[in-house]
Amino acid sequence: NAGVMQNPRHLVRRRGQEARLRCSPMKGHSHVYWYRQLPEEGLKFMVYLQKENIIDESGMPKERFSAEFPKEGPSILRIQQVVRGDSAAYFCASSRADRRRTEAFFGQGTRLTVV
Amino acid sequence: GENVEQHPSTLSVQEGDSAVIKCTYSDSASNYFPWYKQELGKGPQLIIDIRSNVGEKKDQRIAVTLNKTAKHFSLHITETQPEDSAVYFCAASNWASGGATNKLIFGTGTLLAVQP
Repeated sequence: NAGVMQNPRHLVRRRGQEARLRCSPMKGHSHVYWYRQLPEEGLKFMVYLQKENIIDESGMPKERFSAEFPKEGPSILRIQQVVRGDSAAYFCASSRADRRRTEAFFGQGTRLTVV
Repeated sequence: GENVEQHPSTLSVQEGDSAVIKCTYSDSASNYFPWYKQELGKGPQLIIDIRSNVGEKKDQRIAVTLNKTAKHFSLHITETQPEDSAVYFCAASNWASGGATNKLIFGTGTLLAVQP
C-alpha cells in the first residue's frame, strides 16, 4: 500500500513561470491537505480538499495560488507567476473520511526553488 | 484564530535520558492531537496521536498526555536514542466527518538532539 505520493520532489522555476505540484493520496483516502514549510519553520495550512470540492482554502494566498482535486487523478497545487518568496517545501497529506480514522499521512514534499 | 504553541524550540539530551515536549492550543473545540517527526529532507511522519476522550496514550518508548482543562498536551520519549534526533511537531484539529475544520494547526517545532 503506497503512501502519499508527491511529484516532482524538486522543482526549479524562473520568476514569472508556473509551478504545478501533484499529490496522489493514499488508497482509500478522500481528503487532501496542502501545507507549506519555509526553511527552518513550521507547517502552514494552505487548503483542504475533498473530491471535486474545496472545503477550506483559508490559508491560500489570494492571488496566483489555486488547488484542485478532480474526480480522477491527483490533486494539483498550481502557482502562477512564481516569485522568489514562493520558494519553500510544499507538503501534501491525506486522510480518510472516518471520524474513527482521523490520521493524516504526509508525502515527502516538493521543494520549489524560484530563481 | 487557532494557535498552537510549542516549547522548547531546541532540546539536547544524553542518550538514554528522557525528552519532554509541550504544546498548548487555543481552540477549545480541538479534539484530535497528533505528533509528527520530521527528519532532514523528508516529510513529517506520524508517530503518535491522542483524541480528546483520552488522557494518556503510550506506544513503546513514546507517550502523549492531554489535559483538556488546561489545553495542554505533551510528548514524552523515554530511553532516547541517537536515531530519535529530528524535529518534532505537535498539531491540533477539530475533526468532524465531512466537516470543514479538519485542518491541522501545527506548533513551531522542537529540534531534538540526542547526544551519544
